[in-house]
Amino acid sequence: DIQMIQSPSSLSASVGDRVTITCRASQYISNYLHWYQQKPGKAPNLLIYTSSSLQSGVPSRFSGSGSGTNFTLTITSLQREDFATYYCQQGFSPPWTFGHGTKVEVQ
Amino acid sequence: EVQLAETGGGLIQPGGSLRLSCAASRFSVSNNYITWVRQAPGKGLDWVSVIFSDGSTSYSDSVKGRFTISRDTSENTVYLQMNSLRVEDMGVYYCATDIGNSGYYYIDSWGQGTLVTVSS
Repeated sequence: DIQMIQSPSSLSASVGDRVTITCRASQYISNYLHWYQQKPGKAPNLLIYTSSSLQSGVPSRFSGSGSGTNFTLTITSLQREDFATYYCQQGFSPPWTFGHGTKVEVQ
Repeated sequence: EVQLAETGGGLIQPGGSLRLSCAASRFSVSNNYITWVRQAPGKGLDWVSVIFSDGSTSYSDSVKGRFTISRDTSENTVYLQMNSLRVEDMGVYYCATDIGNSGYYYIDSWGQGTLVTVSS
């Protein structure tokens, strides 16, 4: 099975900060890497698909990059509504797997 | 608007069985994969199972042999039969799909979730 190693597990930031979250796959997954945001009590929301494609309706301050095994989610100029938990997920081969999540908290 | 609605959660004793349902609206479960993702209280997302449009299935190692995913195309509903339930199976179960059938297996549509509590 493909393991997804996401880091950091949590971070503290302020409004306006640039935030970077990384996700590493235990084997090659091409660009089958997707990012989600989840807020407490809610279902996850797709932010980025196929590593770098912005989902419709998602603000352009979110961006993704990477291919193969190493991937990055970047939030430029963090906004108050971005404080949440973020997950990566590989869709390259089942069993599909998620990273353990990164909680972005108010500094 | 595409909708997915899970039902069937509840309180069950360890070793017991439960069947979750996922009713789809405004798209056909025959044409899209449906996946189940769960989340234990205070924990991260955990992928459980998928049924593809061709009827093939896949499971996580943690549920293989205990859970069975199936569908009823006449009801446009997908089921997750959960047997030999363990405390570690407890959590919110979401059914979900990629409504556009991109082939990249991301999830852009989620149900609201149903809570499964495994406790004696």
